[in-house]
Amino acid sequence: GAVVSQHPSRVICKSGTSVKIECRSLDFQATTMFWYRQFPKQSLMLMATSNEGSKATYEQGVEKDKFLINHASLTLSTLTVTSAHPEDSSFYICSASPTARGRPQHFGDGTRLSIL
Amino acid sequence: GIQVEQSPPDLILQEGANSTLRCNFSDSVNNLQWFHQNPWGQLINLFYIPSGTKQNGRLSATTVATERYSLLYISSSQTTDSGVYFCAVELEEKGGTSYGKLTFGQGTILTVHP
Repeated sequence: GAVVSQHPSRVICKSGTSVKIECRSLDFQATTMFWYRQFPKQSLMLMATSNEGSKATYEQGVEKDKFLINHASLTLSTLTVTSAHPEDSSFYICSASPTARGRPQHFGDGTRLSIL
Repeated sequence: GIQVEQSPPDLILQEGANSTLRCNFSDSVNNLQWFHQNPWGQLINLFYIPSGTKQNGRLSATTVATERYSLLYISSSQTTDSGVYFCAVELEEKGGTSYGKLTFGQGTILTVHP
């Protein structure tokens, strides 16, 4: 079945560091990938839509200069949290689906980001 | 935007019991998925079920799209079923601008005691 790989699974770093998270579709191509964020004991909230070859689309309230998204190929999207601060600590998870409509979304295993 | 409501918010069961989780949504949808999030945060895809009924072992799901709800049934529950169950939907939008974008409910926290 469709597999989405996310790396790294856990990051602990100092405040002010920039952190890059990768999301790869391993056995299918995806023109669109999605990035979600989940705070403790809460649900998943969509942050942005990553579009291959064009700019990402951000949800209301998500700072595009803080969360840089690059989707340079049909199998890779990256999320960079720039100058991370403790309030950016969260669980980040990506999803993708084969390009055809009517397919389920497949999720990576998530990245737990802790900013000290 | 579309509203997704899950009930109950919390559910405590004894091993072997059956349960039903509900997901109500406010608009027509292209996609509905049920997930189990394990203690490590991994989202396990249980069902892709925009309509109809599906079964997988002890789990089954039914979506009645015209009435905008879905049900997840867990039979003979086991301690390994514990975790958070999420329903997520993709709004049916003209023009396809929301394609693939999922809105999650708040989840049902299931605890199964031995």
